[in-house]
Amino acid sequence: SQTIHQWPATLVQPVGSPLSLECTVEGTSNPNLYWYRQAAGRGLQLLFYSVGIGQISSEVPQNLSASRPQDRQFILSSKKLLLSDSGFYLCAWSVTGIAGNTIYFGEGSWLTVV
Amino acid sequence: RKEVEQDPGPFNVPEGATVAFNCTYSNSASQSFFWYRQDCRKEPKLLMSVYSSGNEDGRFTAQLNRASQYISLLIRDSKLSDSATYLCVVNTRGYGQNFVFGPGTRLSVLP
Repeated sequence: SQTIHQWPATLVQPVGSPLSLECTVEGTSNPNLYWYRQAAGRGLQLLFYSVGIGQISSEVPQNLSASRPQDRQFILSSKKLLLSDSGFYLCAWSVTGIAGNTIYFGEGSWLTVV
Repeated sequence: RKEVEQDPGPFNVPEGATVAFNCTYSNSASQSFFWYRQDCRKEPKLLMSVYSSGNEDGRFTAQLNRASQYISLLIRDSKLSDSATYLCVVNTRGYGQNFVFGPGTRLSVLP
């Protein structure tokens, strides 16, 4: 069965510090991968998605970036965090044609920028 | 107009009540539809897919009206454990498969 792992689960970072969140998917090949952000009390905002290694699409301009160095690995990064980057970050995956193209989420990473 | 809209909530209902959630979407090319459940400070989890003919899973019934671009979720005999935020999700197939999430409707089932 497919599983998705995301880490770290929580982190507190000072303004201006770098960020790296990592996500890996197991049990599937060539998944579509996503990074979402959810601010407190708000809906999910798509940040990046990827259909393959090295292929990243950005949905919103921001000081975040994403990379996909391996088929089942997706990394979210920032060189300098802003207070507004605080939120709940979720990695997710989907595979075309399986289970109605359902999207599945990792457990999420809570980021507090202070 | 937002792509996916839901009842603003919150809904506070007693145990055993029947509660209905409504969702509308703006993209007529949307192809797949889902309801997700999100517990406080947790990731969203798939509750059920929504099919054109309507579908039922125990106490949960989902309906889709493509002509009206409307989706619904009905929960019968609500339990305390049903308390969560319910997210309507629409997939408009395209590059990278675009899943669009509604803002969610929070449900509190009270004893």
